[in-house]
Amino acid sequence: GAVVSQHPSWVICKSGTSVKIECRSLDFQATTMFWYRQFPKQSLMLMATSNEGSKATYEQGVEKDKFLINHASLTLSTLTVTSAHPEDSSFYICSARPIDFAGELFFGEGSRLTVL
Amino acid sequence: AQSVSQHNHHVILSEAASLELGCNYSYGGTVNLFWYVQYPGQHLQLLLKYFSGDPLVKGIKGFEAEFIKSKFSFNLRKPSVQWSDTAEYFCAVNAIDAGNMLTFGGGTRLMVKP
Repeated sequence: GAVVSQHPSWVICKSGTSVKIECRSLDFQATTMFWYRQFPKQSLMLMATSNEGSKATYEQGVEKDKFLINHASLTLSTLTVTSAHPEDSSFYICSARPIDFAGELFFGEGSRLTVL
Repeated sequence: AQSVSQHNHHVILSEAASLELGCNYSYGGTVNLFWYVQYPGQHLQLLLKYFSGDPLVKGIKGFEAEFIKSKFSFNLRKPSVQWSDTAEYFCAVNAIDAGNMLTFGGGTRLMVKP
C-alpha cells in the first residue's frame, strides 16, 4: 500500500518552545491530509484538515494559532505546535488522502510529543 | 455530527477463541466503513473496508466484518484468534454526504493470551 512518513517519530521539548512535525506521502500525491491527536488509551480525534495550497480547516475546540498547519505541496504537510505546554504532550498522527481517492486513507506512524 | 461507538473497550481472549468486536454508528446516510488495527508500537493499518456490495467483507489475516444497515453496525469477527492479534482495533466511518470526514470509534484493546 501507499506509504506516509512522519518525522520526527519522537520528540521531547521544553515548555514554551515550538515543535514542527512533518507528514509526507512518499509514493503518491495527496490533495488532502488530516491531522489527528491520540491521547493515551483513547481514540483518534481529528484536529484539522489540510488542503494543498489553502488554509487548513480546524475542528471545533482546536486552537489554530497554537497548532499551525501548512500544506505546501501535494506530498508534504507540517504541523507546528507553538509555545508547547505539558498538556500538549500527545501522540500526533497524520493521514493522507490520495488524489485518486478510493475511500481509504493512509496513516503515518505517528509522532510522540513530550513537553517537559 | 456522526458518532461511532465501540462497546468493548478491553477484550481478553485465549488463543483459538473466536472474536467479535462491536461497532455502531449514528449516521443515516451513505457511509464507507473501515476497521483499522494498531499493533503495539506501530502505526494504524487497514484491516478491511466496506464501500458497497456484499455486506460481508473479508480482510487481511482472517478478519471479516458484516455491515448490517438496519442496525447501523459493522462488527469485526475472526473465528480463531492468535497471540499476534494482540492490538488495538478501531472502527471508522466515512459519512459520504456529511463532510466526507473519517470518524473513529473509541477503540478496543484486544489481548490474546498464549
